[in-house]
Amino acid sequence: GIQVEQSPPDLILQEGANSTLRCNFSDSVNNLQWFHQNPWGQLINLFYIPSGTKQNGRLSATTVATERYSLLYISSSQTTDSGVYFCAVEAQGGSEKLVFGKGTKLTVNP
Amino acid sequence: ETGVTQSPTHLIKTRGQQVTLRCSSQSGHNTVSWYQQALGQGPQFIFQYYREEENGRGNFPPRFSGLQFPNYSSELNVNALELDDSALYLCASSLGPAGETQYFGPGTRLLVL
Repeated sequence: GIQVEQSPPDLILQEGANSTLRCNFSDSVNNLQWFHQNPWGQLINLFYIPSGTKQNGRLSATTVATERYSLLYISSSQTTDSGVYFCAVEAQGGSEKLVFGKGTKLTVNP
Repeated sequence: ETGVTQSPTHLIKTRGQQVTLRCSSQSGHNTVSWYQQALGQGPQFIFQYYREEENGRGNFPPRFSGLQFPNYSSELNVNALELDDSALYLCASSLGPAGETQYFGPGTRLLVL
């Protein structure tokens, strides 16, 4: 099945810093989503982005489908951005619906 | 428009028992997918239901089973619980079975003793 790798596994920042999270995947996809998981376990949708670029406030994402990677940018990070960020993909013709990476744990210190 | 809801929020069972978890899909969504998330791991796909039929299954044994009802709500049943079944169980609903944004509920935390 499709493989999803996220990097880095852990990231520690000072408030105000910028960061880039990466997601590599091993096959063509018809769905790619970025999520933020809060401390209570809720998965919050950030982006649905199987290709192209999107922006939402301080967050933006780019997926280059032909090269099989996606990037999540967080600018001017805040302590509330802390948590685990997951990339999840659905392979074209695959039987598994969303395959998740292992996540990037982000800690933003004041 | 209500979001995805799950019940119960927490549950404690003993090994060998059976459990039923429930999920109400977002208004207008006809597809529900279930995931298991062990501590420190990413969610793993269990199965998906589309218009009351199973539409894809991950690498989980048959003691994990499900249902989808005419109103598109869904149940996840786990028989003969094992200690390793302790996890956060998440359901997600979507407008269709493929290529659609999945919206997740808050999850049910299951502890098996």
